[in-house]
Amino acid sequence: SQTIHQWPATLVQPVGSPLSLECTVEGTSNPNLYWYRQAAGRGLQLLFYSVGIGQISSEVPQNLSASRPQDRQFILSSKKLLLSDSGFYLCAWRRVHTEAFFGQGTRLTVV
Amino acid sequence: SQQGEEDPQALSIQEGENATMNCSYKTSINNLQWYRQNSGRGLVHLILIRSNEREKHSGRLRVTLDTSKKSSSLLITASRAADTASYFCATVNSSGNTGKLIFGQGTTLQVKP
Repeated sequence: SQTIHQWPATLVQPVGSPLSLECTVEGTSNPNLYWYRQAAGRGLQLLFYSVGIGQISSEVPQNLSASRPQDRQFILSSKKLLLSDSGFYLCAWRRVHTEAFFGQGTRLTVV
Repeated sequence: SQQGEEDPQALSIQEGENATMNCSYKTSINNLQWYRQNSGRGLVHLILIRSNEREKHSGRLRVTLDTSKKSSSLLITASRAADTASYFCATVNSSGNTGKLIFGQGTTLQVKP
């Protein structure tokens, strides 16, 4: 069966520090991969998605970047965090035209 | 532009009542999906309805899709306190890049025991 791992669950980082969130998927190949951000009490904002290794589509120009070094690995990064980067980050995968499966999320607080 | 806008934003009902949530979208879609999110957790897929389907059932869930109005509804019958959560619709475009999965702002449902 397929599983998705996202870590860490919570993170407190100072302003200006770097960020690296990792997401890995098991039990499937060539999945579409997604990074979303969710502000408190709000919907999901699509940040990046990838339909294949090295293929990254950015939806919102901002302080973040994403990479897909391996088929089932998706990394969200920042060189210098801003206060506005705080939020709940969710990784997800899906096959084309099917439902998405989500990780448990990372609560990021930038202080 | 954002797809999948839900209404109402918040809904509070008594246990046993039915809950109806609506979703509107802007472009042609391949399918529309409904998800549930418990507070502080990841989303869980509930039901997927394809653009050539008009209604779909899963247990106490009933989803309708009206592509002419670009809208969908999620009905939860005989609600339970455990149904308390946020519910989101998400759409996949039928043309262009079908990799994008866009979510709406969600409906927060509170079911009072």
